[in-house]
Amino acid sequence: DVKVTQSSRYLVKRTGEKVFLECVQDMDHENMFWYRQDPGLGLRLIYFSYDVKMKEKGDIPEGYSVSREKKERFSLILESASTNQTSMYLCASNSSPGTVKSYEQYFGPGTRLTVT
Amino acid sequence: GQNIDQPTEMTATEGAIVQINCTYQTSGFNGLFWYQQHAGEAPTFLSYNVLDGLEEKGRFSSFLSRSKGYSYLLLKELQMKDSASYLCAVRRNSGNTPLVFGKGTRLSVIA
Repeated sequence: DVKVTQSSRYLVKRTGEKVFLECVQDMDHENMFWYRQDPGLGLRLIYFSYDVKMKEKGDIPEGYSVSREKKERFSLILESASTNQTSMYLCASNSSPGTVKSYEQYFGPGTRLTVT
Repeated sequence: GQNIDQPTEMTATEGAIVQINCTYQTSGFNGLFWYQQHAGEAPTFLSYNVLDGLEEKGRFSSFLSRSKGYSYLLLKELQMKDSASYLCAVRRNSGNTPLVFGKGTRLSVIA
């Protein structure tokens, strides 16, 4: 069974704090993604990565950065948390095109972040 | 831009059939996905269509018409546990491109 895990289910941080959200997958997937999910807005892509040390901006990268030092781990960093970053954050992974079931994207359980 | 539309909410009765529609306008198309997401949980993969037609998987079926930019998810013999949000997503090309998601349809199954 593919497993995508996230470091915390719930997190409360103060405005201005630096926040790290960690995601680990155990299926040797090349591709990893960070989304945020807000009521009425759906899933929006923040950043993604196709390989170690590679990163690409998604639709809403402002205020975020990422790090991928190892294949299995993809970290989302909020450099200076703000209240408008209160959201559900979901990590996902899949394998590269051409591999078995590369179309299936697996999600982690999510981290509900509240910034006060 | 990328546009994926689906109804915001639907209600259906236990044991009935419900069809959730999705229309898309994207720059490129290489597959349409349906995900199920229960409240407070991660989305889980339901189906994938890349060619026109109907894909059946137990109580769930998904249909695609590429010429119309249209898909639907059909749920038969509805059960209370089917109450969830259903997300439509499109992959725009065959390379390493992320999925583009619709905003989701919240389905409530009532007795």
